[in-house]
Amino acid sequence: GENVEQHPSTLSVQEGDSAVIKCTYSDSASNYFPWYKQELGKRPQLIIDIRSNVGEKKDQRIAVTLNKTAKHFSLHITETQPEDSAVYFCAASVSGTASKLTFGTGTRLQVTL
Amino acid sequence: GAGVSQSPSNKVTEKGKDVELRCDPISGHTALYWYRQRLGQGLEFLIYFQGNSAPDKSGLPSDRFSAERTGESVSTLTIQRTQQEDSAVYLCASRFPPGLIYNEQFFGPGTRLTVL
Repeated sequence: GENVEQHPSTLSVQEGDSAVIKCTYSDSASNYFPWYKQELGKRPQLIIDIRSNVGEKKDQRIAVTLNKTAKHFSLHITETQPEDSAVYFCAASVSGTASKLTFGTGTRLQVTL
Repeated sequence: GAGVSQSPSNKVTEKGKDVELRCDPISGHTALYWYRQRLGQGLEFLIYFQGNSAPDKSGLPSDRFSAERTGESVSTLTIQRTQQEDSAVYLCASRFPPGLIYNEQFFGPGTRLTVL
C-alpha cells in the first residue's frame, strides 16, 4: 500500500519568514495530494490540494508543488504569521476510487514573534 | 450548514469495557471514514464506507474493533474489551462519492477516548 513520509517533524520560523514542509509517497498511482492543518485540539481542515495533472498550485500565501517523477510534494507558506502555528499533515490517495487518504506523520510548525 | 458531528466528545472508560462512538456525516456525503490519532501522532486509517458497498476494513487494528453504517447516514465504531493502548482521538470524516472532482474529506471534531 501507499506510504507517505513527511519532514521535518517540527519546524520553527520567525514571523515573516517562509516555511517549507516536504513529503514523499511510494505509490505511483496516487494522484491526489491534500494538505491539512490541525490547530491544537481542533479537527484537521483542508488548506490546499493538488492533483497530479498540475505541478504547482497557489492560494495567497500558501503554495504546493508536485514532482511526479520523484514522487514528492511540498507545502510552502510565505510571510508566516503566528496564526499559521499548527500541525500540518500531507496525504496521498488515488482519486476516483476509495480515495483512502494515507497521511504523513505531521509537522508541528511554530511561528515565533 | 451542518458539518460532521461526533459523539461523545469525550469518553473515559475502564480497561475491559466496550465503547461505542458515533458519527453523523454531512448530508449527501456517501463516503465515510474512521481514523485514529494517538497523542502527538498522525492520522491512522481504520475503516471506510461507500454507499452499500462492502466496507474497507483494512485499517482495523484487531478484531476488537468493528464499525457499522446504516445506509448513507450514521456510523458507529465499537471497541470491545478496551485496552489502554486504545486511548486516542477517533476522527470521522465524510466526503462526496468517489469519482467526483471534489475529493475533500471533511472531518468531525473527534471523540477523545481515555482507557484507564
